[in-house]
Amino acid sequence: ETGVTQSPTHLIKTRGQQVTLRCSSQSGHNTVSWYQQALGQGPQFIFQYYREEENGRGNFPPRFSGLQFPNYSSELNVNALELDDSALYLCASSLAGGRYEQYFGPGTRLTVT
Amino acid sequence: AQSVSQHNHHVILSEAASLELGCNYSYGGTVNLFWYVQYPGQHLQLLLKYFSGDPLVKGIKGFEAEFIKSKFSFNLRKPSVQWSDTAEYFCAVNTGSARQLTFGSGTQLTVLP
Repeated sequence: ETGVTQSPTHLIKTRGQQVTLRCSSQSGHNTVSWYQQALGQGPQFIFQYYREEENGRGNFPPRFSGLQFPNYSSELNVNALELDDSALYLCASSLAGGRYEQYFGPGTRLTVT
Repeated sequence: AQSVSQHNHHVILSEAASLELGCNYSYGGTVNLFWYVQYPGQHLQLLLKYFSGDPLVKGIKGFEAEFIKSKFSFNLRKPSVQWSDTAEYFCAVNTGSARQLTFGSGTQLTVLP
């Protein structure tokens, strides 16, 4: 059974640029959630996708957007990068519903200069 | 909206000492509660979870947590810590209607050999 994988591992971008982060969910999982973890903080919920539809969104601006594909993999896109977007971005997959464990990937470390 | 507080930011213990990490949440309705651990260089992984029933739950590696509804608390305990327990510990909550996890800011545990 393959766990949650994310790519790339690290990324350096310039302010104003756009970035796409990718996530492959664990086999059998139909729900993907994205979190932002700033240094010294707990993960903050960005949004969740279920069956290719956004299924909940945290307090993040519209320049954070996502996609889920038929194979349940997912992308996080961030436009017009700001310095404060520098963080570890975590993807988690699960079955649908709040009682199912979310399995986290290793994250993508994004640095915006 | 729910929130989670972890008051201990950094805890330092000697091996064999007992551990208790505090977690309080704010939400008046039904909650699902989780403790996640992040060992150095590794993914976030689930230690234990509480949905309903016996308020004392046991997790992996000898950890347990007690849900006290009247105190809105879900403290993590271990009778005797080991050097290998050095990690960051996150408490998280979701509610029946919200699928996303809300995390606390984490507690860094350092166990001295």
